[in-house]
Amino acid sequence: NAGVTQTPKFQVLKTGQSMTLQCAQDMNHEYMSWYRQDPGMGLRLIHYSVGAGITDQGEVPNGYNVSRSTTEDFPLRLLSAAPSQTSVYFCASSYGRGPAANEKLFFGSGTQLSVL
Amino acid sequence: KQEVTQIPAALSVPEGENLVLNCSFTDSAIYNLQWFRQDPGKGLTSLLLIQSSQREQTSGRLNASLDKSSGRSTLYIAASQPGDSATYLCAVGNNAGNMLTFGGGTRLMVKP
Repeated sequence: NAGVTQTPKFQVLKTGQSMTLQCAQDMNHEYMSWYRQDPGMGLRLIHYSVGAGITDQGEVPNGYNVSRSTTEDFPLRLLSAAPSQTSVYFCASSYGRGPAANEKLFFGSGTQLSVL
Repeated sequence: KQEVTQIPAALSVPEGENLVLNCSFTDSAIYNLQWFRQDPGKGLTSLLLIQSSQREQTSGRLNASLDKSSGRSTLYIAASQPGDSATYLCAVGNNAGNMLTFGGGTRLMVKP
């Protein structure tokens, strides 16, 4: 059972470039989400989804887009990368409505992104 | 806006000690509280989830308590082991239950 899989593990971008961080889960979880982790600021929610075709903004959504066309996949798109987006990105999923259903979150191993 | 604070930021103890990690939050209108463990270079692993109506949860050597009125939670680790060395984070679910606010974590080192 693979759980939550994130690719790539490391990425270096130049300012202005675009890219997509991939997240896939094989647990048939309805809830999926993206967090960024920065030193001294903890994890902050970027976007989340409670099912295919449904997405919503989290605490820090600016500069990021998401879509949820299937239950398994929840990609995160950076449209025009900025140095402020240098961070470690985590994808997390859970059953049902996630935290709103008192369900535990399962995290991927993260993507370390550097924007020069 | 909810703020979550974890003190201390780092803790070093000898193997075998019982220890307590602290988490405080500013808004008591929470949906739930979770404790996570994060190993270096890895993702987070959920340890315990306490619903807003509960006072504590236990799993093996771990016990988490919740006092909503005072805005506090503690994670008690009994008989600590070197394998417990990791960063421990608490996260508070907002009243709608759709968003978690994380604390900055406590980095624990258990020395053999």
